[in-house]
Amino acid sequence: QLQLQESGPGLVKPSETLSLTCTVYGGSISSSAYYWGWIRQPPGKGLEWIGSIYYSGTTHYNTSLKSRVMMSVDTSRNQFSLKLNSVTAADTAVYYCARPITTSGYQYWGQGTLVTVSS
Amino acid sequence: QSALTQPASVSGSPGQSITISCTGTSSDVGGYNYVSWYQQHPGKAPKLMIYDVSTRPSGVSNRFSGSKSGNTASLTISGLQAEDEADYYCSSYGGSTLEVFGGGTRLTVV
Repeated sequence: QLQLQESGPGLVKPSETLSLTCTVYGGSISSSAYYWGWIRQPPGKGLEWIGSIYYSGTTHYNTSLKSRVMMSVDTSRNQFSLKLNSVTAADTAVYYCARPITTSGYQYWGQGTLVTVSS
Repeated sequence: QSALTQPASVSGSPGQSITISCTGTSSDVGGYNYVSWYQQHPGKAPKLMIYDVSTRPSGVSNRFSGSKSGNTASLTISGLQAEDEADYYCSSYGGSTLEVFGGGTRLTVV
C-alpha cells in the first residue's frame, strides 16, 4: 500500500523560505508515470493546487505561485520536495503531498502538515 | 487560473439524493474528461471519490456518481447517509497548469 509522509518545519518567519519534503513508502517514485503533487489548504478554506513534479524532474506550477515555487525530486531517497520563498501569513496552510490514480485524481495523500508563517 | 465554481452548501435528508455542481470553462472542465471529486471530513486528508468524470476508485460506494455536460460537472450522492456529511471538492485538469480545484461544498445531512 502506497503511503506518503510530509516533513518539515511547522513555523516559518515572514519573507523566509518554506521547505517541505514528501517521502514515499511502499512504492518507487520513479517506477511509474505519475506526476507527484503538492496541494495546500489554508485553515477553514478550500484546496489549492501548488504544482507537481515527474520523477525525471519535469515540473508544472500553479501560475499564481510560479514565481515563488520550486520543486525537486530525489529518486535515491524516494522523496520529492517543495520550496516556497518570500512567504507571508497568506501562505499559512496545511500542506499535502499526493499522487494521482492516473492522469489526474489524487488517490494517495499524506496526512498533511500545518505550516504557520509568523514572526 | 480561477477556481471552479461550486455551491457553498447543500443539504439533504437520509435516503434522499443530492447533486453538487462544479462549473468551469472550456479550458478546464469543458475541455477535458479529467474531472475529479473529493470528500473531506474535518481534520482529514481529502479522499478521492470520482475521477475521469465518472469513474469510481476501488472501494468507493456506488451511491456516488459523476457526470459532465459542457463546462459543468456534477456529483450525485444517492441514498444519503449520515457519514456522507462532509466537504466536497471538484477538480479538473486545466491544460498547462495541470490542476484546478473548486471552492468546496459543505454537505449537511439533516
